[in-house]
Amino acid sequence: GESVGLHLPTLSVQEGDNSIINCAYSNSASDYFIWYKQESGKGPQFIIDIRSNMDKRQGQRVTVLLNKTVKHLSLQIAATQPGDSAVYFCAESSVWAGSYQLTFGKGTKLSVIP
Amino acid sequence: SAVISQKPSRDICQRGTSLTIQCQVDSQVTMMFWYRQQPGQSLTLIATANQGSEATYESGFVIDKFPISRPNLTFSTLTVSNMSPEDSSIYLCSARGTGQFTEAFFGQGTRLTVV
Repeated sequence: GESVGLHLPTLSVQEGDNSIINCAYSNSASDYFIWYKQESGKGPQFIIDIRSNMDKRQGQRVTVLLNKTVKHLSLQIAATQPGDSAVYFCAESSVWAGSYQLTFGKGTKLSVIP
Repeated sequence: SAVISQKPSRDICQRGTSLTIQCQVDSQVTMMFWYRQQPGQSLTLIATANQGSEATYESGFVIDKFPISRPNLTFSTLTVSNMSPEDSSIYLCSARGTGQFTEAFFGQGTRLTVV
């Protein structure tokens, strides 16, 4: 079904600080999670993923944390830069559903203050 | 990774008309999807485009309104039929491999305005 029509939550961060973006998911059977970055006028771009048998995964300047107990996912961006300003979406999928489709969270708009 | 090209990138259409959006992937992919994203909102799945068979539609979306074709493993089209201003949105094509833990790639989107 459609998402409720709400404005995106916004996170404002000073350049150089660390950013933490949170996401709650609803399907306890989800076994794969992805963070996407969407800049204005562009499609979502893959940042990092994590499987349900892990609780942490690190990439370049980004870390994803997964807490299956409370169905919570977070994206940490170290030393946030102006180029990180975008909308960030978490997405989940569950292979048991057999369709490989992704379900997206509501998104968070990150604004970096120079 | 896969590169996905969508066209048109944007269009302004009269109500009552139809628009077909094309999605081309630079490699063969098993799964292709179509999403809608209204301004300031998240992505909502319209349907899964199945190669060689009818698309699988999500609740709230029907084939008569959003007919989809997928003639091969690299190409799909989405038609928005009998458009109304409520159809104004961004439409996104996505592709994904069949591996359990593979990310989905997205086109740049088609920004549709219906007047």
